[in-house]
Amino acid sequence: GAGVSQTPSNKVTEKGKYVELRCDPISGHTALYWYRQSLGQGPEFLIYFQGTGAADDSGLPNDRFFAVRPEGSVSTLKIQRTERGDSAVYLCASSPTSGNTGELFFGEGSRLTVL
Amino acid sequence: GQNIDQPTEMTATEGAIVQINCTYQTSGFNGLFWYQQHAGEAPTFLSYNVLDGLEEKGRFSSFLSRSKGYSYLLLKELQMKDSASYLCAVSSGGSYIPTFGRGTSLIVHP
Repeated sequence: GAGVSQTPSNKVTEKGKYVELRCDPISGHTALYWYRQSLGQGPEFLIYFQGTGAADDSGLPNDRFFAVRPEGSVSTLKIQRTERGDSAVYLCASSPTSGNTGELFFGEGSRLTVL
Repeated sequence: GQNIDQPTEMTATEGAIVQINCTYQTSGFNGLFWYQQHAGEAPTFLSYNVLDGLEEKGRFSSFLSRSKGYSYLLLKELQMKDSASYLCAVSSGGSYIPTFGRGTSLIVHP
């Protein structure tokens, strides 16, 4: 597809379970970002990849959150021992280069609900 | 850290002009973004200001004053479809990662 693709679009899980959220960026985009957005709030930065490496993971709230991008394209955000407070829309975005001075292209997001 | 402030909600009339303000405090400022986000959808890019002044793009214009830590988004000839959340985001530091404000929910009524 032409845009950023995120799966699943909706995920309902129980407290304490493990979840994986996938992001397929625009082909050729080297920079990839994960944000999460709660209702009525702006996107909150989680982690930024440049190629395969996490260039900045300062936004990850704790060690239950982890993300990988092993081949510099698809990325997976992994959340262990989910808590109700993790419920949010998880947005992925990509951009063509590092030191980006232009727009981020966002996916539709994965809505996570932890019961 | 960064502090970004914008009004929570605004209302305007179809056909009118509305100005959405954003103030910020940051170090190592690179640039300021405006994004539009309809309910349940992904944010979409509107503008990116690096230098002071006004940039016009169709019905939308964005202004930046770096010395005042201030920006606004100006929407002209409002249409019902402009009802959305407008997100101000600031890029700073070496990684250029945008930090978003909480967004301004704009309601356009007939």
